[in-house]
Amino acid sequence: DGGITQSPKYLFRKEGQNVTLSCEQNLNHDAMYWYRQDPGQGLRLIYYSQIVNDFQKGDIAEGYSVSREKKESFPLTVTSAQKNPTAFYLCASSSPSGRIQYFGAGTRLSVL
Amino acid sequence: GQNIDQPTEMTATEGAIVQINCTYQTSGFNGLFWYQQHAGEAPTFLSYNVLDGLEEKGRFSSFLSRSKGYSYLLLKELQMKDSASYLCAVSPKATNAGKSTFGDGTTLTVKP
Repeated sequence: DGGITQSPKYLFRKEGQNVTLSCEQNLNHDAMYWYRQDPGQGLRLIYYSQIVNDFQKGDIAEGYSVSREKKESFPLTVTSAQKNPTAFYLCASSSPSGRIQYFGAGTRLSVL
Repeated sequence: GQNIDQPTEMTATEGAIVQINCTYQTSGFNGLFWYQQHAGEAPTFLSYNVLDGLEEKGRFSSFLSRSKGYSYLLLKELQMKDSASYLCAVSPKATNAGKSTFGDGTTLTVKP
């Protein structure tokens, strides 16, 4: 089945630790995105990539980093510089027309 | 910039009709998305309006007025499973759905 796979579903970070969230898609989409969602709020764009080996900062990129070495993969690293990382992280890709966006099931990150 | 407003919470009765409004003020506009998000899950695509007017899809319809900066999502014959958060999102550019700006969502509770 085509779709977006995020792992892990739950992740715990210790103080000063970097953690990486995985996002893989088999939809053959060029564009991929990372969002953060805090309780009771909408989605905020962290980073996006429209093509392999290229990515752009979104609205809240500070404390995060990404890579796009393969079309299928767009991992997000939450660095120790992100002081408030507890949130629900969603990865998405969009169809070539840009009219539909597909989301992964999300990763819930908490701080120990 | 983008500013999107939608009610925080709504309650309706099973079998009834409910209208969820969304108003927006944006520096660029190409289309407006509606997504459904159940608690703890990823958003799922409901509709995308580019032109003025009403688009119907089964029990769900979405309306757009570009001149008024206004949209609504209409849910008919409400079912208990429709209890969810409904997110309105504005897309500034045709081919980049992921750069949409999201509202904070409307939490709909359907009661028996």
